[in-house]
Amino acid sequence: QQQVKQSPQSLIVQKGGISIINCAYENTAFDYFPWYQQFPGKGPALLIAIRPDVSEKKEGRFTISFNKSAKQFSLHIMDSQPGDSATYFCAASANNAGNMLTFGGGTRLMVKP
Amino acid sequence: NAGVTQTPKFRILKIGQSMTLQCTQDMNHNYMYWYRQDPGMGLKLIYYSVGAGITDKGEVPNGYNVSRSTTEDFPLRLELAAPSQTSVYFCASSSSGPSYEQYFGPGTRLTVT
Repeated sequence: QQQVKQSPQSLIVQKGGISIINCAYENTAFDYFPWYQQFPGKGPALLIAIRPDVSEKKEGRFTISFNKSAKQFSLHIMDSQPGDSATYFCAASANNAGNMLTFGGGTRLMVKP
Repeated sequence: NAGVTQTPKFRILKIGQSMTLQCTQDMNHNYMYWYRQDPGMGLKLIYYSVGAGITDKGEVPNGYNVSRSTTEDFPLRLELAAPSQTSVYFCASSSSGPSYEQYFGPGTRLTVT
């Protein structure tokens, strides 16, 4: 019930291309879906987040698409840049779980120049 | 504003030794968390706290203990270290507001041999 499944585990994209990372969840009580970005040797940092009352949220080159009926959400990185090379984690939490986040397994993104 | 700080950055322990990982936040956040991150895996919640004097177990609490005597500090204690506790440990904090954003420290890399 608490699991969040993330795919792919790794992704290689050419500079300027679109990077797409997908996540699926089972717990219908989840009501907050953030994406965290982690550079080597650093802690994760919030990139963008969405709540289930909207189907899409865009911040610059980063877009979250959310499909409540399918219990899936995805991160799209437009015009991918070498500086976007990092590990990306999706996560989910429920308001009744004390702000506890359940994380996906992570996607290591490499953007080739 | 330092955010979330963790000490030490690196540590090597022998099997059976004990140690305390320190975590301090200066954002006056009520919620604090300890995660572990194993290679190629997502973050697993060890313990969390919703305020001074209140702690609770996360997904993987065995072999660890925590305390929360102040809002700022949330140390993690490892008793009788085992090789299975080799990991990178992250402390995080969040306000009790609706944003749910968690701010992570830089991590402690622990090796138990």
